[in-house]
Amino acid sequence: DTGVSQNPRHKITKRGQNVTFRCDPISEHNRLYWYRQTLGQGPEFLTYFQNEAQLEKSRLLSDRFSAERPKGSFSTLEIQRTEQGDSAMYLCASSFPGGSYNEQFFGPGTRLTVL
Amino acid sequence: SQQGEEDPQALSIQEGENATMNCSYKTSINNLQWYRQNSGRGLVHLILIRSNEREKHSGRLRVTLDTSKKSSSLLITASRAADTASYFCATDAMATGNQFYFGTGTSLTVIP
Repeated sequence: DTGVSQNPRHKITKRGQNVTFRCDPISEHNRLYWYRQTLGQGPEFLTYFQNEAQLEKSRLLSDRFSAERPKGSFSTLEIQRTEQGDSAMYLCASSFPGGSYNEQFFGPGTRLTVL
Repeated sequence: SQQGEEDPQALSIQEGENATMNCSYKTSINNLQWYRQNSGRGLVHLILIRSNEREKHSGRLRVTLDTSKKSSSLLITASRAADTASYFCATDAMATGNQFYFGTGTSLTVIP
């Protein structure tokens, strides 16, 4: 399967714990995006990378959130000191210049539940 | 914050009927896209329309864009049960072209 993959698919944690999610984009897609989606809402942009450079971050991304893409391939999203309000689906997407970066290919998401 | 808002929030139709959903957005855009989301396949890109285009077709999908009203519509003709999903519009604001803003979605149910 050459689609975007995300791990884990589900994560349950206690408030105050740190969690890390991984996203593997489609190979040769040099842009990678992170979104957060809560029930009944559309995805909200968090941040995006072009290769290994993190080019934009949403104001939604508090200091407790950090994302990396060290080698320009997979990316990780870490949430420190989780809060119940962090419970959501975290989506990763990738895109490529051949599609003018417009069409994003989404992964299945990681569902985070903070107890 | 959400850039766009879909209308209606929920729509239920019989198989074979047409479904129309609308999207309104707030700021000037470069292009507008529609995505479908269901539990089986996640978010899937359907169609893109550029700000200088007024109408676009893809199979059973027809998208219109009215930049003066900052609105778009998605028409699905001859609906099928498999079209049951949530539909989102996504825009890239001209000011921040690399950020994509999704609307709140329309939940479509097609009854066989």
